[in-house]
Amino acid sequence: GDSVTQMEGPVTLSEEAFLTINCTYTATGYPSLFWYVQYPGEGLQLLLKATKADDKGSNKGFEATYRKETTSFHLEKGSVQVSDSAVYFCALSSNTGGFKTIFGAGTRLFVKA
Amino acid sequence: DGGITQSPKYLFRKEGQNVTLSCEQNLNHDAMYWYRQDPGQGLRLIYYSQIVNDFQKGDIAEGYSVSREKKESFPLTVTSAQKNPTAFYLCASSIATGTDYEQYFGPGTRLTVT
Repeated sequence: GDSVTQMEGPVTLSEEAFLTINCTYTATGYPSLFWYVQYPGEGLQLLLKATKADDKGSNKGFEATYRKETTSFHLEKGSVQVSDSAVYFCALSSNTGGFKTIFGAGTRLFVKA
Repeated sequence: DGGITQSPKYLFRKEGQNVTLSCEQNLNHDAMYWYRQDPGQGLRLIYYSQIVNDFQKGDIAEGYSVSREKKESFPLTVTSAQKNPTAFYLCASSIATGTDYEQYFGPGTRLTVT
């Protein structure tokens, strides 16, 4: 079945450092890919998405490119801030999975001032 | 403002009692979902519903029940049969067409059973 694998955390960075969180997927069909963010004690919110190969999703300085050849959707940010500290989830949805979304296990990011 | 509301934010119950968590959405979405999140863990799907009066079990449905009598509402009952009910529960909704099932989440309910 469909699955999402993302790098284990926690990831600890200093402010203004470069961030990469790796995400790879397995899916039949043509999935849409997402990054969600969860701040402490809150629900998840969509950070960015890409719906077809080579699309780049971007929001709030974060970017991710849908790479079909490597089945990857890595999250990047050039300069992180303390306020970026959160848990980041990679996810996919496809028409072969019904109306379900498959989530990765989440990666916790700590940013130090 | 459109969105999803969950109430209450914190809920405390004694072991052996059933408890119902509320989820309401005004986004006009057909699909709704319930997830469980344990500390340091990802999301696990409990139940989902694509249309009123229909729902399907997710990966960890045992000990839970749901109903979908109205499009806007998808309450979750945690029964006494659920062995480890203490967790953070998240409700979500999405459109139910195409493949772009972007999910909108509520703020969650933290349930503690002692």
